[in-house]
Amino acid sequence: GQQLNQSPQSMFIQEGEDVSMNCTSSSIFNTWLWYKQDPGEGPVLLIALYKAGELTSNGRLTAQFGITRKDSFLNISASIPSDVGIYFCAGQLMSGAGSYQLTFGKGTKLSVIP
Amino acid sequence: ETGVTQTPRHLVMGMTNKKSLKCEQHLGHNAMYWYKQSAKKPLELMFVYNFKEQTENNSVPSRFSPECPNSSHLFLHLHTLQPEDSALYLCASSLGLTSYEQYFGPGTRLTVT
Repeated sequence: GQQLNQSPQSMFIQEGEDVSMNCTSSSIFNTWLWYKQDPGEGPVLLIALYKAGELTSNGRLTAQFGITRKDSFLNISASIPSDVGIYFCAGQLMSGAGSYQLTFGKGTKLSVIP
Repeated sequence: ETGVTQTPRHLVMGMTNKKSLKCEQHLGHNAMYWYKQSAKKPLELMFVYNFKEQTENNSVPSRFSPECPNSSHLFLHLHTLQPEDSALYLCASSLGLTSYEQYFGPGTRLTVT
């Protein structure tokens, strides 16, 4: 099946630092979504992107839909301890079998050092 | 609180047991999904329902049997599971199949002994 390459796999940062993570694919996507999952909970939707080049913010989070439609980026500014968790990207393929389904990345595990 | 609830939150079952997972959404959505989340793997879509009708079964073994009595409720019936079926089972819902914003429940942590 289709794969999303999400990087980095994990990162340790100091409180107050900015964070950047991304997802790439060889396929073209119509929609990109970013989720955050806390331990023992389900993923929570952070940002949805629908248009190539779109830049959308949600508080300290900013995500971008890549111009090529094959990638997306998530930035977190001025990290705080509650940003700890696993961040997932998800994409909806432009066409093809099952194109209404979401494809998920493996996640980026973020640790924040106070 | 995402508007999607799942029970139980934790379940331990033997390989010969039969149990069911329940999901309920209070969002007025029409599509519901079951996912399996295993360590170090992407979320795996298992089943999709749209207006109570199953639209997708992603080659899931028959020991997993879904049921969707109405657009708000989704069940996953389990029987004769294997230890490798131990995982977090997540339910999600969306407005429809072409509305890609899916909202997840907290999951059921399943351990098969």
